[in-house]
Amino acid sequence: DTGVSQDPRHKITKRGQNVTFRCDPISEHNRLYWYRQTLGQGPEFLTYFQNEAQLEKSRLLSDRFSAERPKGSFSTLEIQRTEQGDSAMYLCASSPVALNEQYFGPGTRLTVT
Amino acid sequence: RKEVEQDPGPFNVPEGATVAFNCTYSNSASQSFFWYRQDCRKEPKLLMSVYSSGNEDGRFTAQLNRASQYISLLIRDSKLSDSATYLCVVNMADNDMRFGAGTRLTVKP
Repeated sequence: DTGVSQDPRHKITKRGQNVTFRCDPISEHNRLYWYRQTLGQGPEFLTYFQNEAQLEKSRLLSDRFSAERPKGSFSTLEIQRTEQGDSAMYLCASSPVALNEQYFGPGTRLTVT
Repeated sequence: RKEVEQDPGPFNVPEGATVAFNCTYSNSASQSFFWYRQDCRKEPKLLMSVYSSGNEDGRFTAQLNRASQYISLLIRDSKLSDSATYLCVVNMADNDMRFGAGTRLTVKP
């Protein structure tokens, strides 16, 4: 399977704990995006990378959130001191630099109890 | 005004019907436009890009009206398998992609 993959698919954590998610984009795609989606809403943009450079961060991304793409391949999204409001589906997408079409991974569903 | 607005529906139509969704966007400098389809508890999947001249892919037709800042999606001869949420996506500027909340479609036998 050469699509976007995400790990884990589901994560249940207690409030206050830190969590980290991983995304592996399609191999030849330079751009990688993170989104958050809650029930009944479309995906909300969080941040994006071109290769290893983080080019944009949403105002939604508080100081508790950090993302990395150290070698321009896979990316991690970390949430520190999780809150119940962080419960959502976290989606990763990738695209080739010449096109704007994005291809999504299956998402990581986070539940904060 | 929201940056990308869609009628949330739900649209409930019989098989074989024609259904149309509209989407409006606020930023007149928006550069590219897409329709994605999202099945329940699954990730969004690209349905089609929307070109200025309008484009068609089988039973699906997308239109763009820059003057009025809206895009549309027309589905002809609806199938049961078309049941999903349809997301309008607007690229505001250099990969600043904004999604609408989606329009839910249910096609019934």
